[in-house]
Amino acid sequence: AQSVTQPDIHITVSEGASLELRCNYSYGATPYLFWYVQSPGQGLQLLLKYFSGDTLVQGIKGFEAEFKRSQSSFNLRKPSVHWSDAAEYFCAVAGETDSWGKLQFGAGTQVVVTP
Amino acid sequence: EAQVTQNPRYLITVTGKKLTVTCSQNMNHEYMSWYRQDPGLGLRQIYYSMNVEVTDKGDVPEGYKVSRKEKRNFPLILESPSPNQTSLYFCASSLAGDGIETQYFGPGTRLLVL
Repeated sequence: AQSVTQPDIHITVSEGASLELRCNYSYGATPYLFWYVQSPGQGLQLLLKYFSGDTLVQGIKGFEAEFKRSQSSFNLRKPSVHWSDAAEYFCAVAGETDSWGKLQFGAGTQVVVTP
Repeated sequence: EAQVTQNPRYLITVTGKKLTVTCSQNMNHEYMSWYRQDPGLGLRQIYYSMNVEVTDKGDVPEGYKVSRKEKRNFPLILESPSPNQTSLYFCASSLAGDGIETQYFGPGTRLLVL
């Protein structure tokens, strides 16, 4: 069965500093990988997704993620964090051989941005 | 505006009192799904629907029912709510596809079962 692990429950970062959120997945075949962001009191918004091709994926709000098959990772990065990036971030995986709409989510990483 | 709407947004109820949380999308999406979000567990899928009259269980379907009589609506029914169903619920929808279609999420329904 597929699974997703986000090792960091909580990250604090200074405004203007870089941010990297870790995501590791377990899946036997080619995974479809996603990063979602949830701002306080809001639903989830898709930041970016990967399914094939270039392993460095660009998303909205200045985020990017890199797929590394050898490490089973899909880490999210942003070079310079803004206060508005304070939110909870979820990594998710869908498998091409599974029910295609079934997303498996990680437990989330809460990002706090300090002045 | 393309969106997924949920009602109510907040609900307090008592054990055993049947309730329905509605979900509606205006994007003509085939696929709809319900998730619950609990601290430390992320989102877990309850039920999903590939199209009208086609539904299937997700990871945590116990205690829930769904129906898909119209393409735009996908209500979540709790026949006899229990305190362990206190949670934040999200509805999502997407086009039919091969796993890469973006899922659009509603704003969430916060449920407290006493």
